[in-house]
Amino acid sequence: GESVGLHLPTLSVQEGDNSIINCAYSNSASDYFIWYKQESGKGPQFIIDIRSNMDKRQGQRVTVLLNKTVKHLSLQIAATQPGDSAVYFCAENNAGNNRKLIWGLGTSLAVNP
Amino acid sequence: NAGVMQNPRHLVRRRGQEARLRCSPMKGHSHVYWYRQLPEEGLKFMVYLQKENIIDESGMPKERFSAEFPKEGPSILRIQQVVRGDSAAYFCASSPPRMNTEAFFGQGTRLTVV
Repeated sequence: GESVGLHLPTLSVQEGDNSIINCAYSNSASDYFIWYKQESGKGPQFIIDIRSNMDKRQGQRVTVLLNKTVKHLSLQIAATQPGDSAVYFCAENNAGNNRKLIWGLGTSLAVNP
Repeated sequence: NAGVMQNPRHLVRRRGQEARLRCSPMKGHSHVYWYRQLPEEGLKFMVYLQKENIIDESGMPKERFSAEFPKEGPSILRIQQVVRGDSAAYFCASSPPRMNTEAFFGQGTRLTVV
């Protein structure tokens, strides 16, 4: 079946650097994408979302880029902090898919002091 | 406005027993989703419910698993005759009625079958 996948299972960055986490999706009908952050022992926490009619969306220190041509999604974290260490998941949804989210495997981000 | 509340946070069951996991959605949210997560893995969709209706249970095993979201009270995920392979974290999420909006997650119930 169609699924969301992540390019890199782990990412290690220095504190203060920018982080880029990538995600590939295969369902061209998906029209809504979300990035979640999951810290150890906790539930996923919403970071930022983007709809398919947009290419870019910015939040506080985070930016999501959507390239529909190559079905690619990325999360950029500026000035990465130790508190950003977590597993990051991208998820996709389309209105015709009963609203359920399809999740990728996750990328573990480790921030080195 | 309290977030999504799941209880218990940790549940230990012996093989063959029943496990009941509860989820109270955020106020105003009429859609509930259950996901299962194994260590070092992503979330796997199990079931999507609205009040008194199961909308999509395509991710839920046909046997031993059931879910409900009654008109009053929390959503319940029920696992009968648990086996060791049922050990996992089970997350509940809720969302409001409008489309294309983020789902808010609870802290999960960690089920351990011994």
